[in-house]
Amino acid sequence: TQLLEQSPQFLSIQEGENLTVYCNSSSVFSSLQWYRQEPGEGPVLLVTVVTGGEVKKLKRLTFQFGDARKDSSLHITAAQPGDTGLYLCAGPNSGGYNKLIFGAGTRLAVHP
Amino acid sequence: DADVTQTPRNRITKTGKRIMLECSQTKGHDRMYWYRQDPGLGLRLIYYSFDVKDINKGEISDGYSVSRQAQAKFSLSLESAIPNQTALYFCATSWTSGNEQFFGPGTRLTVL
Repeated sequence: TQLLEQSPQFLSIQEGENLTVYCNSSSVFSSLQWYRQEPGEGPVLLVTVVTGGEVKKLKRLTFQFGDARKDSSLHITAAQPGDTGLYLCAGPNSGGYNKLIFGAGTRLAVHP
Repeated sequence: DADVTQTPRNRITKTGKRIMLECSQTKGHDRMYWYRQDPGLGLRLIYYSFDVKDINKGEISDGYSVSRQAQAKFSLSLESAIPNQTALYFCATSWTSGNEQFFGPGTRLTVL
């Protein structure tokens, strides 16, 4: 069974701090996606990483896919209150069919 | 206007009642999904549909049924609601060839 484990589960920081959240698995994934979910809304895709070792940047957010394609990280530089939300990683199951396996998420709170 | 809409947004009901949650999309996607989200458990797949004539069970389909009335409409029913079905429910859509999923805003269901 493919599982995605995210850590930490909760993170509470002050505005301006840097942080990293992790998404780990014992299984290889063809790609991994990161979503952000704000209160009262559905998850929204931030990025998809496809190649082992790939690094993608989205403004202050940096996403990395592990060389072995079993893990990914999200680093936020100089966090802002607008970054508050639930960050979910997801990957396609090995059977395909557009089914995604989701991690339980990291809930981030950035305080002014 | 939102691409994926869900109705109702909030619902409180009693044990044993039949409940229908509706999802509509204007993205033209063939694939539609229903998930439930519980704290600490992430998103779990209930049912998915690849086209109007195709319905598939997800990992937690017991106690739920679905209907794909049209390419744009996918409804989820709880035939006899029970308290442990209290959760946040999301509908999502995707293209046939891609893995990115687009989520609706969610329905918060409380079963008393």
